[in-house]
Amino acid sequence: GAGVSQTPSNKVTEKGKYVELRCDPISGHTALYWYRQSLGQGPEFLIYFQGTGAADDSGLPNDRFFAVRPEGSVSTLKIQRTERGDSAVYLCASLRRAKYEQYFGPGTRLTVT
Amino acid sequence: GESVGLHLPTLSVQEGDNSIINCAYSNSASDYFIWYKQESGKGPQFIIDIRSNMDKRQGQRVTVLLNKTVKHLSLQIAATQPGDSAVYFCAELSNTNAGKSTFGDGTTLTVKP
Repeated sequence: GAGVSQTPSNKVTEKGKYVELRCDPISGHTALYWYRQSLGQGPEFLIYFQGTGAADDSGLPNDRFFAVRPEGSVSTLKIQRTERGDSAVYLCASLRRAKYEQYFGPGTRLTVT
Repeated sequence: GESVGLHLPTLSVQEGDNSIINCAYSNSASDYFIWYKQESGKGPQFIIDIRSNMDKRQGQRVTVLLNKTVKHLSLQIAATQPGDSAVYFCAELSNTNAGKSTFGDGTTLTVKP
């Protein structure tokens, strides 16, 4: 079946602009995670959804970052007033209930100029 | 005494040799550990996992060893192939964090033909 998909694959934006990154999880996966990966480093946790609600948003760096999952499937990560330090690959992962194996999407590479 | 493998950011091996990739984790309360493989331009891909009540688990050509005393994890790849070239990450999770993964530093494995 289809894996986790993320759009766009690449996004270049100017400092100060607003961006939205989309994640389509695997059908039936109840949990969805967002991570951020800087060059040469491991993914860093941002936020986790169980169904429609954000169960843990402790990894969001500041209030410019926000994520939603209104129908418990597709999720959107929103970044306001982007800064150059936001440049990274944003990864989404989903997993089945009662399992720990996360399935990652290919990521969105965000570049803030 | 027992030696503890050092984490190396890069590892180069000859095709057909065995590879050992090491990881030190930080949380003694972690219940679950996963090794991921990440190829260029892709998201991390699950390789093998191990629960904290185990000290060894084998998969196809891969073995994971867990030493809780020194909080050390290793991934052994038998008969390494060029397709194994990638960045490898270990991740730790706890049952109380609902699958939120904390990733370690990656090791870039290069397999020379």
